[in-house]
Amino acid sequence: DSGVTQTPKHLITATGQRVTLRCSPRSGDLSVYWYQQSLDQGLQFLIQYYNGEERAKGNILERFSAQQFPDLHSELNLSSLELGDSALYFCASTSPGGLAFFGQGTRLTVV
Amino acid sequence: EDQVTQSPEALRLQEGESSSLNCSYTVSGLRGLFWYRQDPGKGPEFLFTLYSAGEEKEKERLKATLTKKESFLHITAPKPEDSATYLCAVQALSNAGNMLTFGGGTRLMVKP
Repeated sequence: DSGVTQTPKHLITATGQRVTLRCSPRSGDLSVYWYQQSLDQGLQFLIQYYNGEERAKGNILERFSAQQFPDLHSELNLSSLELGDSALYFCASTSPGGLAFFGQGTRLTVV
Repeated sequence: EDQVTQSPEALRLQEGESSSLNCSYTVSGLRGLFWYRQDPGKGPEFLFTLYSAGEEKEKERLKATLTKKESFLHITAPKPEDSATYLCAVQALSNAGNMLTFGGGTRLMVKP
């Protein structure tokens, strides 16, 4: 158990819909990272938050957004969903030394 | 742009048959190179971090090594429970956020 909690584990939704994925980092970790893993793209960095502030952006679509709350949990919002958004979405938090611990992921299926 | 390439994409071994997985990288200053193990439908599980060329780390049947251009994950006398996808990732000095750039992974299958 990495200490990073993600909910829900599975999500099935229709095209055009909006979903929210939730992540609670390890106790004491201030950074939260979101990654997307699809069969053809591998693990891709989406966005990072540090203590409530956006710190870095990767290959995140404009239809996607995230935020980190005062209790340090984070939410990834995916809107106007397309079939190609079906993937595993992982959250990670890092120790002060930069070591990333990953949650078990949310499997999103868009039908 | 940071790049990580892993080879082979898939590897089948007999139990006890040792082998190595390769991770080639280009990065504008390496902060760290990471190896993770990922089981199907699960999150990546941390194995090793290497920081400088010449560094080696071991854990049970696994040994990771690092040069200036690549890293190897050596698997000695593997067992079926070692079957998983092994991911390599780099963290660049230039990126303030410490995010990881991953390779495509090597899917390892160990047959009894």
